[in-house]
Amino acid sequence: KNEVEQSPQNLTAQEGEFITINCSYSVGISALHWLQQHPGGGIVSLFMLSSGKKKHGRLIATINIQEKHSSLHITASHPRDSAVYICAPITDPQGGSEKLVFGKGTKLTVNP
Amino acid sequence: GAVVSQHPSRVICKSGTSVKIECRSLDFQATTMFWYRQFPKQSLMLMATSNEGSKATYEQGVEKDKFLINHASLTLSTLTVTSAHPEDSSFYICSAQRGAGQQPQHFGDGTRLSIL
Repeated sequence: KNEVEQSPQNLTAQEGEFITINCSYSVGISALHWLQQHPGGGIVSLFMLSSGKKKHGRLIATINIQEKHSSLHITASHPRDSAVYICAPITDPQGGSEKLVFGKGTKLTVNP
Repeated sequence: GAVVSQHPSRVICKSGTSVKIECRSLDFQATTMFWYRQFPKQSLMLMATSNEGSKATYEQGVEKDKFLINHASLTLSTLTVTSAHPEDSSFYICSAQRGAGQQPQHFGDGTRLSIL
């Protein structure tokens, strides 16, 4: 079983729709990144959160540490939101260095 | 702020060539830099973690003699793929972290390496 499970793997939406991407993880974590990877490969960190909820523009990320679950929401989706969204928990090692583990990503396509 | 520049963005070269990839933090000092590899349609995989002035820590299965990492300053880390072979063709991406503990990682744009 993968340490990080994302759903759905692929998502197609119409412009303006509300999008939710889910992430469940099995490792102990100190925090979690949501990353956006564009077709060219470049990666942008959208959020790093360790509890509760964060909002940036049309993006909202939530995390429930007890349930080991995080969600990324996009309100009023737009074609420019089309990208791969990756959930990346930061492991909480015992005496080792923190590092990211990655989900396989959710490929989002928003049609005009 | 927190811009990370990675160069080159694309390399095509012959088998047996050594290739150097640079990762620079442009507007902050990066205590830690990370190197990742991503094969087509797969997740990012951590290759190694480097701290300025000390030897890199490699993940299991990553050959330290093949993937040489140098983190000589707080703004520059380099990854050299020595004697590259077609199976090394991949997307390599770095990230940089300011300080330690619950600091976000800032990613470069990646390098697409193709070995013929």
